[in-house]
Amino acid sequence: EADIYQTPRYLVIGTGKKITLECSQTMGHDKMYWYQQDPGMELHLIHYSYGVNSTEKGDLSSESTVSRIRTEHFPLTLESARPSHTSQYLCASTRGGDTGELFFGEGSRLTVL
Amino acid sequence: GESVGLHLPTLSVQEGDNSIINCAYSNSASDYFIWYKQESGKGPQFIIDIRSNMDKRQGQRVTVLLNKTVKHLSLQIAATQPGDSAVYFCAENRAQAGGYQKVTFGTGTKLQVIP
Repeated sequence: EADIYQTPRYLVIGTGKKITLECSQTMGHDKMYWYQQDPGMELHLIHYSYGVNSTEKGDLSSESTVSRIRTEHFPLTLESARPSHTSQYLCASTRGGDTGELFFGEGSRLTVL
Repeated sequence: GESVGLHLPTLSVQEGDNSIINCAYSNSASDYFIWYKQESGKGPQFIIDIRSNMDKRQGQRVTVLLNKTVKHLSLQIAATQPGDSAVYFCAENRAQAGGYQKVTFGTGTKLQVIP
């Protein structure tokens, strides 16, 4: 069982609001990731981090930002939410190595009205 | 560009039968190919992976086959059970500088197990 947690699980907010999606892992993993997934579709990488104070943009352009001040914590922020941001956001981490085994949280489903 | 795609969007299988989920890929430089299972309302869960220099790998009730000649990957599930109902994603991994693993996901196949 992976020890990676996301909150909130579900969030419905109005346009223009600032939101932060939380992600925490207790496995001591250095590398963490944020993926965006629309229903029934593939996952698209939007942010990743090698470790503390390291953040990089992924393949899919996103208006969100991330920070990595502590190893276990990798929050994602939207300064001004829009309906186009409606999606599921999945956080993941990995212990390293080269197999591609990612441990995912259960996701945060965001709906912007 | 890099892409990982699946042949079928939905697969219905009778309980107890074997399931085969297929995947095509285009990036020959991948280090590993991976299968993930995503149940409704949950994040993807790692099932099994195969290194790019291997042809076959077996796990518990699952077998992954890799055919590099035709760039094809398959996941075989033996004696499919209702708990196997989920969306299955194939993915490829290529190690980048700094130890970053670039994991690229394909579109999923929904497996429906008929009791």
